[in-house]
Amino acid sequence: NAGVTQTPKFQVLKTGQSMTLQCAQDMNHEYMSWYRQDPGMGLRLIHYSVGAGITDQGEVPNGYNVSRSTTEDFPLRLLSAAPSQTSVYFCASSRLTGDYGYTFGSGTRLTVV
Amino acid sequence: GNSVTQMEGPVTLSEEAFLTINCTYTATGYPSLFWYVQYPGEGLQLLLKATKADDKGSNKGFEATYRKETTSFHLEKGSVQVSDSAVYFCAPQEGNTGKLIFGQGTTLQVKP
Repeated sequence: NAGVTQTPKFQVLKTGQSMTLQCAQDMNHEYMSWYRQDPGMGLRLIHYSVGAGITDQGEVPNGYNVSRSTTEDFPLRLLSAAPSQTSVYFCASSRLTGDYGYTFGSGTRLTVV
Repeated sequence: GNSVTQMEGPVTLSEEAFLTINCTYTATGYPSLFWYVQYPGEGLQLLLKATKADDKGSNKGFEATYRKETTSFHLEKGSVQVSDSAVYFCAPQEGNTGKLIFGQGTTLQVKP
């Protein structure tokens, strides 16, 4: 049981480049979400999804796109990277009903230069 | 909107000391409450939870009690170890959306 798998673990981008952060879960969780973690800021929600074909914005969605074509996968796309997007990104998943909490991936550390 | 306030860190303790990390929240209704722990270089892990008033969540020697009257969920441990050094996040869960609301986290440093 792999849980939530994020790739890559580390990435360096140049300003203006695009990339996709991958997130996959094998627990058949309906809910998936992306957070960014910055020093002194805690975790901030970027985008989330309650099922395949359904996505919604969190509190800091600008500069990021998501899609949810399958239950298992929830990729996060940076269309034109900016230094302000330097951060650690976490993907999390959970069931929609019940009080099970989230399962987190191990994170992607992104640096934009 | 819903929010959570944790005591600012870092909290520095000697091994075997008593730990309290305060957490208060504002939320509509009666949310489920969670504590997560993040060890250096890792993602967040669920530490414990409580789903209704007066419930006590516990795990690995940590405890927290759901206090509806004070909207608090303070984390406690009677004797900390160096291996408990980590960042701790309190997170109420929005009842209508299921989303967890995270605070800034509290860094705990335990010295031998």
